[in-house]
Amino acid sequence: ILNVEQSPQSLHVQEGDSTNFTCSFPSSNFYALHWYRWETAKSPEALFVMTLNGDEKKKGRISATLNTKEGYSYLYIKGSQPEDSATYLCAFRTSMKTSYDKVIFGPGTSLSVIP
Amino acid sequence: EPEVTQTPSHQVTQMGQEVILRCVPISNHLYFYWYRQILGQKVEFLVSFYNNEISEKSEIFDDQFSVERPDGSNFTLKIRSTKLEDSAMYFCASRPTGTPNQPQHFGDGTRLSIL
Repeated sequence: ILNVEQSPQSLHVQEGDSTNFTCSFPSSNFYALHWYRWETAKSPEALFVMTLNGDEKKKGRISATLNTKEGYSYLYIKGSQPEDSATYLCAFRTSMKTSYDKVIFGPGTSLSVIP
Repeated sequence: EPEVTQTPSHQVTQMGQEVILRCVPISNHLYFYWYRQILGQKVEFLVSFYNNEISEKSEIFDDQFSVERPDGSNFTLKIRSTKLEDSAMYFCASRPTGTPNQPQHFGDGTRLSIL
């Protein structure tokens, strides 16, 4: 069974604080890791697709790193703003042929940024 | 920017009835997906569809479920003999052709309530 975990489950930070959270996934048969941002009442929005060990991607104040050997990815938000409040989902894609096009989501980290 | 659209946004159905959830993927996308999220739980993969056939399905996607692309634009999920535990948000997603590393684009979801 492929399992993807995220921590913490929820996070409350003050505006201006930087924060980070973790996604853990199987370290074998890795193909790709996706990060999505999901605001309430909207659809999940793709942030990053990461494929190579050591990958580091950045989009504005949000960045992510990837360690496929140990099976984790970090998402960082620098100088959090209230509009960053959302649930952040990671999703793992395996290279196993039997599950090639299946994306396994983590439970998400809910971020609330307090003005 | 092109979007995935889902209808209806909320569907209320009596237990035992059949429901059809509709999705219009982005027009040049060729891979289609259904996910569900039961309240308070993870987003769960149901099925992926390519070239007019199912390419992957999860254990959840049993004989009660079926998918169809009845014309060039719609992608539907049919749930027969609905049960109380089918109550969830159902998300449709699509991605273009090419590597599976391209992110999926999600619709806003259909909230299904079974009474």
